[in-house]
Amino acid sequence: TQLLEQSPQFLSIQEGENLTVYCNSSSVFSSLQWYRQEPGEGPVLLVTVVTGGEVKKLKRLTFQFGDARKDSSLHITAAQPGDTGLYLCAGALPGTYKYIFGTGTRLKVLA
Amino acid sequence: NAGVTQTPKFQVLKTGQSMTLQCAQDMNHEYMSWYRQDPGMGLRLIHYSVGAGITDQGEVPNGYNVSRSTTEDFPLRLLSAAPSQTSVYFCASGGRQNYGYTFGSGTRLTVV
Repeated sequence: TQLLEQSPQFLSIQEGENLTVYCNSSSVFSSLQWYRQEPGEGPVLLVTVVTGGEVKKLKRLTFQFGDARKDSSLHITAAQPGDTGLYLCAGALPGTYKYIFGTGTRLKVLA
Repeated sequence: NAGVTQTPKFQVLKTGQSMTLQCAQDMNHEYMSWYRQDPGMGLRLIHYSVGAGITDQGEVPNGYNVSRSTTEDFPLRLLSAAPSQTSVYFCASGGRQNYGYTFGSGTRLTVV
């Protein structure tokens, strides 16, 4: 069974701090996505990274795909209370149409 | 633009009952999937489809059936509900392979 491990599981920080969330696997993925989920809602796609070593920025969020396409990181600069939520990574298995999700990182940003 | 619509939002079933969770998308997406989300376990893939008439099993398919007669609809059937199927169920669709999904807002199912 393919496994995507996210760390940390929980993170509580003050507004203005920086943070990094990690998504690691022993499997290679065709692509990797990051989602954010609010309570009572479905996950919302933030970004897709496809190429090994790729870096994408979305305002204060920076996403990186590992060179070997087995891992990824999400870095948030100057976190704000609006960043609070559950962050999920998901990997697309090569040659299939399946996405495997990590267990998530629950972020709380305190004002 | 409605995106992915799931019904119902909440449902309580008795053990042994059957029901169908509905999912419809209006984006002409080829790929659709059903996931269940349980505390501490993330999202687990139940079944998925790569187009009308084509379905396949995911990680946790037992106790569930799917069919895809049209591009728009992808219902999930619980054959004989069990308490272990208490969960939040999400339907998702995608238009390009490897480029992620649009999710519905979920169905919270309780089996008593």
